[in-house]
Amino acid sequence: DIQMTQSPSILSASVGDRVTITCRASQSISNWLAWYQQKPGKAPKLLIYKASNLEGGVPSRFSGSGSGTEFTLTISCLQPDDFATFYCQQYNNYPWTFGQGTRVEIK
Amino acid sequence: EVQLVESGGGLVQPGGSLRLSCAASGFTFKNFWMSWVRQGPGKGLEWVANIKEDGSEKHYVDSVKGRFTISRDNAQNSMYVQMSGLRVEDTAVYYCARKGGFRDAFDIWGQGTMVIVSS
Repeated sequence: DIQMTQSPSILSASVGDRVTITCRASQSISNWLAWYQQKPGKAPKLLIYKASNLEGGVPSRFSGSGSGTEFTLTISCLQPDDFATFYCQQYNNYPWTFGQGTRVEIK
Repeated sequence: EVQLVESGGGLVQPGGSLRLSCAASGFTFKNFWMSWVRQGPGKGLEWVANIKEDGSEKHYVDSVKGRFTISRDNAQNSMYVQMSGLRVEDTAVYYCARKGGFRDAFDIWGQGTMVIVSS
C-alpha cells in the first residue's frame, strides 16, 4: 500500500499568513493527488485535484504543486474560514490512501 | 442541486450486519464511479470501497474484503454497502462520495451516517 505522510500534523498560524502543508508518498503517484478541507462535524470538501488543479468555486488563495512523491498545498493569505483539517489523498494505486491530516489552528 | 444522502447507520453488536444506502440526486448517477469513505471517531479518512459506473468493477480496502459488499442500482440512483462480520474497529462515520469524472478525486460527498459497533 502507498503510505501518505503529511507534515506538519498541527500548524498554528495567524490570519494573513502564508501556509504550506507537505504530503509525501511512499512511492511515485505521478500527479494523482487530491487535497481536501474538513471542518468539525462536516464532510470533506475537494480543494485540489490532479496535484495542481483548483476545484471550481475554491478561492484562488489555495494552490497545489508537486509530482512523483512530494506535494504541497499552499494557502497564500490565511482567512478565518480556512481554520480546518486538511488531507491529501492518492488515487494512483489501490487501495486509495489518505494522509493523516494537518490541523490548521489559530495562533 | 447535486446531492448525496446516506442512511442506514446505527448501533450493532460485534459480528452483526448492517446495510448502508446512498441516494443520489441532481446528476446522472449512472455516469460516475462511486465510493464509500469512513472516518473513525477522532481519526482520519479511510477509503473503503468503490464501484464502477455499471457495477462491473469493484475494489475494497483489505480490512473489509470478504466482509463488505458494495453495490448500486442505477435505476434507483442509489449505492449500497452490505456490511457483515462487523468489528469494533469498523465504528465510524461512513460517507458516500462521487468520483468526479475528469477530476478522478471525490468531488461530491454526503453528510455521512454513523455506524457504532459495540456490545
